Amino acid sequence: AQSVAQPEDQVNVAEGNPLTVKCTYSVSGNPYLFWYVQYPNRGLQFLLKYITGDNLVKGSYGFEAEFNKSQTSFHLKKPSALVSDSALYFCAVRDIGKKTGANNLFFGTGTRLTVIP
Amino acid sequence: NAGVTQTPKFQVLKTGQSMTLQCAQDMNHEYMSWYRQDPGMGLRLIHYSVGAGITDQGEVPNGYNVSRSTTEDFPLRLLSAAPSQTSVYFCASRTGQYSYEQYFGPGTRLTVT
Repeated sequence: AQSVAQPEDQVNVAEGNPLTVKCTYSVSGNPYLFWYVQYPNRGLQFLLKYITGDNLVKGSYGFEAEFNKSQTSFHLKKPSALVSDSALYFCAVRDIGKKTGANNLFFGTGTRLTVIP
Repeated sequence: NAGVTQTPKFQVLKTGQSMTLQCAQDMNHEYMSWYRQDPGMGLRLIHYSVGAGITDQGEVPNGYNVSRSTTEDFPLRLLSAAPSQTSVYFCASRTGQYSYEQYFGPGTRLTVT
């Protein structure tokens, strides 16, 4: 079965500093990995995905993620945090599941990022 | 485009009551899903649909029914509400099988007393 783990419930970072939100995965076969963000009282929004190719994936709002096969990780990064980046971040993996055609996503438990002014 | 819309935004039910959460999308997406979001548990898939007339169970389907009579609408029915169904419910849609960018609605916050 596919799974993702987000080891930190909460990450605090000062505005202007680099930020990292961690994600590790466990899959059978090639991993399809994703990051979503949830702002307060909103639905989730897609940030970026890794399916194949370059290990460094660039996404929306200046975010990027690094795929590391040996460490089974897919950490989300941004060089300089903004207060407006404060939100709940979810890592997700394609869930092959019982029907390979469905390609649903299995989400992690989320990490709350707070950027301190 | 309105994207994915959900109604109501908030709902309070008594144990044993039934209700339907509405979800609609105007992007002509084939895939639609329902998730519930609970603290410390992330999002869990309840039911999903790969097209009109086709639905299947997700990770936590018990106590919920769905149908998909049109491409646009994907209602979620709670048959007999229980306090364990207190949660925030999100509907999502995406283009098709190989599109992983899901578009989420704003959510419905449900409290069962």
